[in-house]
This record gives sequence, C-alpha cells and structure tokens, in this order.
Amino acid sequence: GAGVSQSPSNKVTEKGKDVELRCDPISGHTALYWYRQSLGQGLEFLIYFQGNSAPDKSGLPSDRFSAERTGGSVSTLTIQRTQQEDSAVYLCASSRSGSGVYNEQFFGPGTRLTVL
Amino acid sequence: AQKVTQAQTEISVVEKEDVTLDCVYETRDTTYYLFWYKQPPSGELVFLIRRNSFDEQNEISGRYSWNFQKSTSSFNFTITASQVVDSAVYFCAHSKAAGNKLTFGGGTRVLVKP
Repeated sequence: GAGVSQSPSNKVTEKGKDVELRCDPISGHTALYWYRQSLGQGLEFLIYFQGNSAPDKSGLPSDRFSAERTGGSVSTLTIQRTQQEDSAVYLCASSRSGSGVYNEQFFGPGTRLTVL
Repeated sequence: AQKVTQAQTEISVVEKEDVTLDCVYETRDTTYYLFWYKQPPSGELVFLIRRNSFDEQNEISGRYSWNFQKSTSSFNFTITASQVVDSAVYFCAHSKAAGNKLTFGGGTRVLVKP
C-alpha cells in the first residue's frame, strides 16, 4: 500500500510569511507525528496526534507553530511569521497505534523548508 | 527525560567488512521501546528494527543483528558483510511504552567503500 506522503517536497519562503505543510498518513494509522531535522538540532519531535486529538504538543518550539488533523487522516503543520531558524526538513510519521505492539513509526519523505 | 547517545559520528569501512553501531540510552521508564532507523542519501527514514524493554533476546535478521543489554543501557546494531547500499545515516531511538514520540540519537554516518 501507499506510504506516508508529504507536500510540498520543497518550500522556499520569505521571512515573515506563513507556510502550511501537509501530511497524508498510511491509511488506517491512528497515530501521526511531526518531527523536524536540522543540522544543528538533529531530529526533534514536534507534535503527536492520536486520531484528531493532540495529547502531546511538547515539541512545538513556539506559538508560531500549530498543527491540526482532520478526519483522523490528513494533518497540516502551520508556521506563522517564519524565521530563518525555521529552515529545516519537516518529517511526518504515522503508526498503526500510539502504543503497544504496533507503535513503529513509518516516515514520509519530508518537506524541505527554506526561509530566506 | 530520555536521552540517546550515538558516540560514533562516522564509520568508514570497505565492502564485506562488518560494522557495529553503538547506542546508549538513558531513561527512567520501566517499559520502553528501542528502534533503529536508516536514512539513505535519498533522505527518507526507514524503520529497521524495534525491541521491547522486557525482551532482551538478541536476534539476527539477514545481515542485521542487534545486541540489547539493559544492564548497560545499550542497544547496538551490527551489519554483517556490509555492502555499498548500506551507506546511510543510522539513528537509534527510544520511545515510552505508550504514546509516543521518538527520542533520537545524533546518528552515525556509515560509508561503505567498494
């Protein structure tokens, strides 16, 4: 079946603009995660969804970052008033469940965000 | 808080040599999971293996094997008879039993030369 998909694959924006990143998880996966990968910070967790709820938002770096998930499927990560330090690859992952036996996460190809 | 340390930043080997990647973790959880992921040059993280904290049995899967030792908080990963296609960055990760986010190590870049 299809894996996790993300769009766009690349996004270049100007400082101060808002951006939306989209994630389409594997069908039937109830848990969805956002991470970002940058040279200086490595792989960092941002937010976790179980269904449409986000029980763990602890990794969001500031209130400029928000995310939502609708219909237990697609998720959108929004960054408002982008800053140059937001430049990174944003990765989405999904797992069949958020705990227990089926908790291995499968990752999408990522969105490379460049803030000029 | 959890912490995962991969002390080796880069390993270079010649094809057919074995490669062992070290991973040490810190956690206060009594139940947790450990993972290895591979990130080839294409960039997509690929799930390799998962172990539960209550199962220290070490296994071999094809050319991959892993050594999980709770006593030393280590979860090492070995590639036997390496191939050029094994060239990638390998990440060790930890998650709590429920939930949950992955805490990644810094990664080890493996370069397999022909």
